[in-house]
Amino acid sequence: GEDVEQSLFLSVREGDSSVINCTYTDSSSTYLYWYKQEPGAGLQLLTYIFSNMDMKQDQRLTVLLNKKDKHLSLRIADTQTGDSAIYFCAEITFSGSARQLTFGSGTQLTVLP
Amino acid sequence: EPEVTQTPSHQVTQMGQEVILRCVPISNHLYFYWYRQILGQKVEFLVSFYNNEISEKSEIFDDQFSVERPDGSNFTLKIRSTKLEDSAMYFCASKRTELSSYNEQFFGPGTRLTVL
Repeated sequence: GEDVEQSLFLSVREGDSSVINCTYTDSSSTYLYWYKQEPGAGLQLLTYIFSNMDMKQDQRLTVLLNKKDKHLSLRIADTQTGDSAIYFCAEITFSGSARQLTFGSGTQLTVLP
Repeated sequence: EPEVTQTPSHQVTQMGQEVILRCVPISNHLYFYWYRQILGQKVEFLVSFYNNEISEKSEIFDDQFSVERPDGSNFTLKIRSTKLEDSAMYFCASKRTELSSYNEQFFGPGTRLTVL
């Protein structure tokens, strides 16, 4: 079946850049997403990229997509303590007639002061 | 800003009991979903629902599970006879249309189900 993989943990110093990586398997994905989950909260869509794009920048967030290698990354510039959370990569996959989100296992980002 | 809400935030039940998890999707949304996340594991798709019927369901969504939209606002997930392994965080999500520009699903805060 379709699978999305991420490293589990990342620690950075406040002010540094964070790069969270993800690999996926479904080459037919049209959209790929980054969700953020803060403790006790739901999943918040951070950003997304359409599969015909290589890069998307949104303020401190930069998404890079390498379709050939099926690799997606999220770079957070000037990481703040408020960025500490779990970050999930997700892709849209088709199952039967419906689209569903397939999530990675999440990367726990810890920002150290 | 409209949001998906879920109740209760935490449900504790005895093994074998029935539970109903409730969700109120965003009001003009047409597609509804349930996902679950077992502690320390991935968020997994359970079921999608559109036009008052199930569109798709995963292998996890067996006969013990059912979904319903009993009125114009609520979307429920029922587990008939809970098992220990049903302990997880259950997320509801909704989406406006299949043609949404980037297919965003809006997630609720989740219900943590603990089966004892």
